Amino acid sequence: DTAVSQTPKYLVTQMGNDKSIKCEQNLGHDTMYWYKQDSKKFLKIMFSYNNKELIINETVPNRFSPKSPDKAHLNLHINSLELGDSAVYFCASGPGQQYEQYFGPGTRLTVT
Amino acid sequence: SQQGEEDPQALSIQEGENATMNCSYKTSINNLQWYRQNSGRGLVHLILIRSNEREKHSGRLRVTLDTSKKSSSLLITASRAADTASYFCATDGYKLSFGAGTTVTVRA
Repeated sequence: DTAVSQTPKYLVTQMGNDKSIKCEQNLGHDTMYWYKQDSKKFLKIMFSYNNKELIINETVPNRFSPKSPDKAHLNLHINSLELGDSAVYFCASGPGQQYEQYFGPGTRLTVT
Repeated sequence: SQQGEEDPQALSIQEGENATMNCSYKTSINNLQWYRQNSGRGLVHLILIRSNEREKHSGRLRVTLDTSKKSSSLLITASRAADTASYFCATDGYKLSFGAGTTVTVRA
């Protein structure tokens, strides 16, 4: 069984569209994260949730909105997509802020 | 700015050789972690070393930590083609901060 799964794996869409990426973990972790990895491989945290509560909200445009319906799921909705949103988005989970994290396979988003 | 910075940016070695990469960071830490990312995949946690530890081993991996120099190193011994990947260090805080990674290529 996949520990952290994301759907879709690839997402190609046009500027201005709204899209969502879903993430699920079956590890029983309390904390989940969204990261963005750009073309230079820099990995930046976007959001972190602990038990469905938002605990980290980095400087991210408010077009990005995370939603955690339960502690096993953390979805990312993006409104009015822009070219600069093209990147690989990773979901991760972990037992807490100072512990190891388990990453999903990533969603490659291409905005044309 | 990134908390952890890996050095070198890229490394190419022959199968069977050792690979060493370094990580420098700026602020005090509770722990430092190393991750591996194969092309097109998510990151995989390799090892976590706490600030009161100086060295840690896991299989062919050896990690050292020097808190006085704010640096860590990752040594991969007897490298294999499957070790070809990018390696990232990450330091804790209220969030994990990743460097840009060292890309390791192991030639057969």
